Amino acid sequence: AQSVTQLGSHVSVSEGALVLLRCNYSSSVPPYLFWYVQYPNQGLQLLLKYTTGATLVKGINGFEAEFKKSETSFHLTKPSAHMSDAAEYFCAVIHTGGFKTIFGAGTRLFVKA
Amino acid sequence: DVKVTQSSRYLVKRTGEKVFLECVQDMDHENMFWYRQDPGLGLRLIYFSYDVKMKEKGDIPEGYSVSREKKERFSLILESASTNQTSMYLCASSLASGRAQNEQYFGPGTRLTVT
Repeated sequence: AQSVTQLGSHVSVSEGALVLLRCNYSSSVPPYLFWYVQYPNQGLQLLLKYTTGATLVKGINGFEAEFKKSETSFHLTKPSAHMSDAAEYFCAVIHTGGFKTIFGAGTRLFVKA
Repeated sequence: DVKVTQSSRYLVKRTGEKVFLECVQDMDHENMFWYRQDPGLGLRLIYFSYDVKMKEKGDIPEGYSVSREKKERFSLILESASTNQTSMYLCASSLASGRAQNEQYFGPGTRLTVT
């Protein structure tokens, strides 16, 4: 079965530090890959996505992610954390030709002053 | 901007009541989805619909039904609410497969408490 694994249900960083949220997927065929963010008491919103082409994808709010086919990974990074980045982040995949999204369990990011 | 709206942000119902959650999207999306979100479990798909009057079971359909009579509206129905259905319910929509890379647009969620 297809799956998405997010390493770490909680990640804590200091303001200004690097943010790294890990995501691995299981698939024999490169899927479409997404990161969504959920702020408290809100729905999810798209941060960035990989479909085809350049493997380094830039998103909103200074986030980026790199698709590494050999590692089946799509880790999310931001060079310098801001207090407003505190939220829950979900990695997700859709397999080519499909429309059902498979979500990871989520990683809650805490940012310390 | 795509907008997905849900009829209530917070809802409190009693065990055994019939509960309707409504979702409306304004971007002419073919696909619509209902998820429930619980701590530590992420998002779990309840039902989805890829066209008017069409529906497919997701991963956890038991105790739920859906209705899609118009393209823009997708309703989730709890036939007889139970306490284990206390959760956050999220509606989402997306374009049809093959027309776009299918990112989903989410509503703000309905936090349902069943007492």
